[in-house]
Amino acid sequence: GAVVSQHPSRVICKSGTSVKIECRSLDFQATTMFWYRQFPKQSLMLMATSNEGSKATYEQGVEKDKFLINHASLTLSTLTVTSAHPEDSSFYICSARYLNRGKYQGTQYFGPGTRLLVL
Amino acid sequence: EDQVTQSPEALRLQEGESSSLNCSYTVSGLRGLFWYRQDPGKGPEFLFTLYSAGEEKEKERLKATLTKKESFLHITAPKPEDSATYLCAPSQGGSEKLVFGKGTKLTVNP
Repeated sequence: GAVVSQHPSRVICKSGTSVKIECRSLDFQATTMFWYRQFPKQSLMLMATSNEGSKATYEQGVEKDKFLINHASLTLSTLTVTSAHPEDSSFYICSARYLNRGKYQGTQYFGPGTRLLVL
Repeated sequence: EDQVTQSPEALRLQEGESSSLNCSYTVSGLRGLFWYRQDPGKGPEFLFTLYSAGEEKEKERLKATLTKKESFLHITAPKPEDSATYLCAPSQGGSEKLVFGKGTKLTVNP
């Protein structure tokens, strides 16, 4: 249980184009999804928190107009990197938090990640 | 400021050689502390959640423990397939965001 998928797993694009990454929770409902970025040999850095049906909350220093997040349903969130540049090349990982009506659980289940390379 | 420090940064063990990984944290209003395993080029895989000091959880060769300032991940008789980067992430109270440490890269040699 608690499987999260991402698509695509790898994408190469030209500078200036936009790229959309999908994150799906396959066997559970997630009111909250998170988007992270990971540079080589570094840990995960939270970019934004996405709640179903509302606007995403971005971390300080993350451009919301560049990284568009949509969380249209309890199982799907998308991240669109607009006008991508080589410095946006990174490993993007989403996570989904289990819908919980009882005791705090808070466990985030992660997708397999998307490797973005901008030429 | 919330901080998470994992040590050592890297650890090489022989198969069967037990050891422990450390996670020191200063997070206000801790709601839970999470351990993940990450293989190269993949997303983190959930291992444990610890909610209160004194709590322990086990899974196969791994055991996680929690105090008010630290968490330990004990690895007993590791195998080569245990090689990975182990990430510790306490959850901030209120926001419930995870604050990730830089991880410990574990290599288990056969």
